[in-house]
Amino acid sequence: QVQLVEFGGGVVQPGRSLRLSCAASGFTFRSYGMHWVRQAPGKGLEWVAVISYDGSSEYYADSVKGRFTISRDNSKNMLYLQMNSLRLEDTAVYYCAKDWATCFTLDYWGQGSLVTVSS
Amino acid sequence: QPALTQPASVSGSPGQSIIISCTGTSSDVGGYNYVSWYQQHPGKAPKLMIYEVFKRPSGVSNRFSGSKSGNTASLTISGLQAEDEADYYCSSFTNSGTWVFGGGTKLTVL
Repeated sequence: QVQLVEFGGGVVQPGRSLRLSCAASGFTFRSYGMHWVRQAPGKGLEWVAVISYDGSSEYYADSVKGRFTISRDNSKNMLYLQMNSLRLEDTAVYYCAKDWATCFTLDYWGQGSLVTVSS
Repeated sequence: QPALTQPASVSGSPGQSIIISCTGTSSDVGGYNYVSWYQQHPGKAPKLMIYEVFKRPSGVSNRFSGSKSGNTASLTISGLQAEDEADYYCSSFTNSGTWVFGGGTKLTVL
C-alpha cells in the first residue's frame, strides 16, 4: 500500500532554513509527480509546490516562490522541500502528496510534519 | 493565486443531503475538469473523495457526488451520516500549472 512519511520538521527562527523530507513506499516513486501542501494551525489547505516524476519541472505557489525548493531523489524514493528565509507565516503542518498524473489530483497524502517558525 | 471560495460551514441532519459549493474562475475551475474534493477529519491527513469533477476513487461511498457548472463546482453528500462530519476542501488545477485549494467548509451533522 502507498505510504508517505514526512520528517524533518521542528522549531526554527525567522530567516533561518529547514529541509523537510518525505519517504515514499508502496508505489513506483519514479513514475509520479509529487506535491507539498501545508496547513497553518486552524486554517485551510494551501498548495505549496509540485515536481514532475523525473524532476525536470517544478512549480510553486507565489507565497513561497524564490524561498522554497522542491526536489527528489528517485534512487532513494525521497522527496524534499528546502525552505529558506522562513517567515512566521510559514508555520504549518507540511504534507507530501502523490500526484495522480492523468487526473491532475493528489491521491495519497502523508500524515504531515509540523514546522514552527518562532523567535 | 487566490483561494477558491467555499462556504465556511454547512449542516444537516442524518439522512438528509447537503451541497457544498466551490467557486473559482475561468483560469481554474471553469477552465478544466480537474476539480477534486478532499475530506479531512480533525488531526488527520486529507482524503481524496472526488476527482475530475465527479469521479469517485475506489472505496469512496456513492453517497458522495460531484458536479460543475461554469466556474462553480459542487459536492453533494446524500444520506448524511455522523462519520461525514469533517472539513471538506475543493481543489483545482490552474492555467499556471499550479493547484489551488478552497478555504474549506466545516460540515456539522446535527
